[in-house]
Amino acid sequence: KAGVTQTPRYLIKTRGQQVTLSCSPISGHRSVSWYQQTPGQGLQFLFEYFSETQRNKGNFPGRFSGRQFSNSRSEMNVSTLELGDSALYLCASSLVGDSGNTIYFGEGSWLTVV
Amino acid sequence: QQQVKQSPQSLIVQKGGIPIINCAYENTAFDYFPWYQQFPGKGPALLIAIRPDVSEKKEGRFTISFNKSAKQFSLHIMDSQPGDSATYFCAATSGGYNTDKLIFGTGTRLQVFP
Repeated sequence: KAGVTQTPRYLIKTRGQQVTLSCSPISGHRSVSWYQQTPGQGLQFLFEYFSETQRNKGNFPGRFSGRQFSNSRSEMNVSTLELGDSALYLCASSLVGDSGNTIYFGEGSWLTVV
Repeated sequence: QQQVKQSPQSLIVQKGGIPIINCAYENTAFDYFPWYQQFPGKGPALLIAIRPDVSEKKEGRFTISFNKSAKQFSLHIMDSQPGDSATYFCAATSGGYNTDKLIFGTGTRLQVFP
């Protein structure tokens, strides 16, 4: 079956702009989480959604937001982009979102802010 | 207390060698410890995972050793191959039935030379 699909794969934005990234989880998966990956900070948890509700949020400013739709698809938005937001943004999904469930990652969206 | 410390940062071995990557944690609420493998341009892929009630788990050439009292766990790759060259991340979940939030280590870049 299809894996976690993220779009777009690559994008370049200008400082001050906003960006929306999309994630389609594996069919049947109800939990979606987002991570930011940078060379300096590694993989950092952004937020987690289950059944359209945000269950957890990482230590990121309010410019980072997300949502989940009734079909489990998710979007994340970053407003007022800063140079430091340049990163690989990874979406992950799991069946029910409990500790110990296999978590599958997409290939990510590469965001460059100039 | 939410950190997972990973070492070494990089590792170079000859084909057939047994690279060992170590991780340590503080939070005793962690109850699931997966290892992820990431190739350049790809998202992390689950390699193997362990729960703290087990001291060792093997899957193919990959073995996790877990020391609950020391709060340490390690990944051993037996008979390493050039195709194993990738970045490896240990992780831990913060526990509970309402989240699969992962706390990642900083990653180890493994290079296996023929």
